[in-house]
Amino acid sequence: EPEVTQTPSHQVTQMGQEVILRCVPISNHLYFYWYRQILGQKVEFLVSFYNNEISEKSEIFDDQFSVERPDGSNFTLKIRSTKLEDSAMYFCASTSLPRGTGELFFGEGSRLTVL
Amino acid sequence: KQEVTQIPAALSVPEGENLVLNCSFTDSAIYNLQWFRQDPGKGLTSLLLIQSSQREQTSGRLNASLDKSSGRSTLYIAASQPGDSATYLCAVTQGAQKLVFGQGTRLTINP
Repeated sequence: EPEVTQTPSHQVTQMGQEVILRCVPISNHLYFYWYRQILGQKVEFLVSFYNNEISEKSEIFDDQFSVERPDGSNFTLKIRSTKLEDSAMYFCASTSLPRGTGELFFGEGSRLTVL
Repeated sequence: KQEVTQIPAALSVPEGENLVLNCSFTDSAIYNLQWFRQDPGKGLTSLLLIQSSQREQTSGRLNASLDKSSGRSTLYIAASQPGDSATYLCAVTQGAQKLVFGQGTRLTINP
């Protein structure tokens, strides 16, 4: 069964360092998302991406964050100058249908620990 | 602003019982509602998707209902098993793209 894959599964970094989290969405999907879950808190929307541009972003997704689809398969989230409060599980998701009508498929997540 | 609430926060029942998990949302202008399962430290597994025009969806021992006008959904699990132990999340699709999640119900099925 097709699945969303994410790497790394866990990354530990020092505060102020740059981090890139990688995702390979399901191959025929066109809509891509990043969500995050701080330990013990709700899953929160960060950004949606379609046709090589951001469709929507939350107030969390400030200038520190960026997304990119560098080739036909990868979808990346870059966090510049990480802060302690960026420690969280980051989930990539994808769907084949627009306007929220389709089922969203999530990856296993990348756990980011900022020291 | 959409708020999604799940009750109870935690539930522990003996194996074999039928149970209901509740989800409520404040804004009825949703595209759909999705129930997920999350095992500790793991990703989100989609269980059921209900479109806003639908009233319920079934998959195996799971049945989810949606009452959009009252802002409520329930997830019914029949004949619960220890393997059903996990956190169950509901999420509504708000606007064009994003899911708004509840905080989840942590379910423990005791053998």
